[in-house]
Amino acid sequence: GQSLEQPSEVTAVEGAIVQINCTYQTSGFYGLSWYQQHDGGAPTFLSYNALDGLEETGRFSSFLSRSDSYGYLLLQELQMKDSASYFCAVRPRMDSSYKLIFGSGTRLLVRP
Amino acid sequence: GAGVSQSPSNKVTEKGKDVELRCDPISGHTALYWYRQSLGQGLEFLIYFQGNSAPDKSGLPSDRFSAERTGGSVSTLTIQRTQQEDSAVYLCASTPSRPDTQYFGPGTRLTVL
Repeated sequence: GQSLEQPSEVTAVEGAIVQINCTYQTSGFYGLSWYQQHDGGAPTFLSYNALDGLEETGRFSSFLSRSDSYGYLLLQELQMKDSASYFCAVRPRMDSSYKLIFGSGTRLLVRP
Repeated sequence: GAGVSQSPSNKVTEKGKDVELRCDPISGHTALYWYRQSLGQGLEFLIYFQGNSAPDKSGLPSDRFSAERTGGSVSTLTIQRTQQEDSAVYLCASTPSRPDTQYFGPGTRLTVL
């Protein structure tokens, strides 16, 4: 089967850097995605790693290491508006290649 | 252009009643997904549509749940004889091609009393 593990909650200070980890157990997948969800809002796509390495999009970066079954989302220069839940997701490499499996999410609280 | 829209935004119903939830995907997006999210939890896959067909209904929790999509666009998720455990936010998402980048609607918050 497939499962993704994320810390349930992370707290950081405005202006700091925070890393949200995602470890997974899956036999094979196409890539690792990250989504952000503010309270009461819809999940929004942040980044996607098809290959190992670092992908950078402004203040956000995402990393994938297939050999370590591990990925992370890095948020730099934290702002109060970054307080939200962050979900990692994988698309298992199976016959049904359309389904995304989501982690349970990490709630990020940014303090002044 | 317009994003994914869902209606109603909130629905309060009594146990045993039927409810219909609607999703309007982004125009041109061929794939449509329904998810369920309980408070503080992750997203639970329910069903996927490619065009009007649903190749995989295995995520539907019980036979009280059904969904259809017409004209390759609007989708309706129906829950019959609602139970209190059905209370959750129901999210719809659509994608143009690659399934890893999904565009979500604002969700319908369902409360079963």
